[in-house]
Amino acid sequence: KAGVTQTPRYLIKTRGQQVTLSCSPISGHRSVSWYQQTPGQGLQFLFEYFSETQRNKGNFPGRFSGRQFSNSRSEMNVSTLELGDSALYLCASSAATNRAGGYTFGSGTRLTVV
Amino acid sequence: QQQVKQSPQSLIVQKGGISIINCAYENTAFDYFPWYQQFPGKGPALLIAIRPDVSEKKEGRFTISFNKSAKQFSLHIMDSQPGDSATYFCAASRAGGGNKLTFGTGTQLKVEL
Repeated sequence: KAGVTQTPRYLIKTRGQQVTLSCSPISGHRSVSWYQQTPGQGLQFLFEYFSETQRNKGNFPGRFSGRQFSNSRSEMNVSTLELGDSALYLCASSAATNRAGGYTFGSGTRLTVV
Repeated sequence: QQQVKQSPQSLIVQKGGISIINCAYENTAFDYFPWYQQFPGKGPALLIAIRPDVSEKKEGRFTISFNKSAKQFSLHIMDSQPGDSATYFCAASRAGGGNKLTFGTGTQLKVEL
C-alpha cells in the first residue's frame, strides 16, 4: 500500500515568490492535513481538508492557503514568500474522523526561501 | 500559546536503559494523546496513543502513563536500543477538532552503546 506522497521533496524560492506544494494521500483516505515544522516553532497545524472542504484552520496568515480535489489529493499554496516561511511542510492523511487510527505523514517538502 | 509542554528537550540513554519523556497539557478538552517518532528526513510516525479513560497503555517496549488530574502524560521506552534514537513528539487533540493535533516541542533521544 503506497504511503503519503509529497512533491517536490526540496524547493528553493526567492522572497516574494509564491509556491505550490502537492500531497497525495493514502488511497481511501479522505482527510488531509498540513503542518509546518521548524526548529524554533516545532510542528504547527496549518489546515485540514475533508471531502474537499476545509474543516479546520490554524493560526497562519492568509498567504497560506490550500485546497483538496475530488480524488482527495491536496495542494497548499504560499504567496508572497518570506524568509520565515523556510520550513519542512508535512502532509498527513487519515481515513476519516477516527483519531484512533492516527495520521500517516509524508516525508515532507523542504522549502527554503532565499 | 503553547498548549502542550514537553520535556526534556534532549535525552541520552545507555543501551538497555529506560527512556522517559514527559508532557503536560493545559486544555482539559483534549481527549486523545498520541506519541510520534520521527527519524531524520522522514515524517513523524504514530507510535502509540492513549485516551484519558485509562491510566496506562503498553505496546511492546513502549508504555504511555497518563495522569488526568495532573494533566500529564509520559512515554517510557524500556530496554532502549540504538535504533530508538530519533525525535519524539507528544500530541493532543480534542473531540470536535477534526484531526487537528497540537504537538509538543519534541525530544531528541540518543541511545548510546
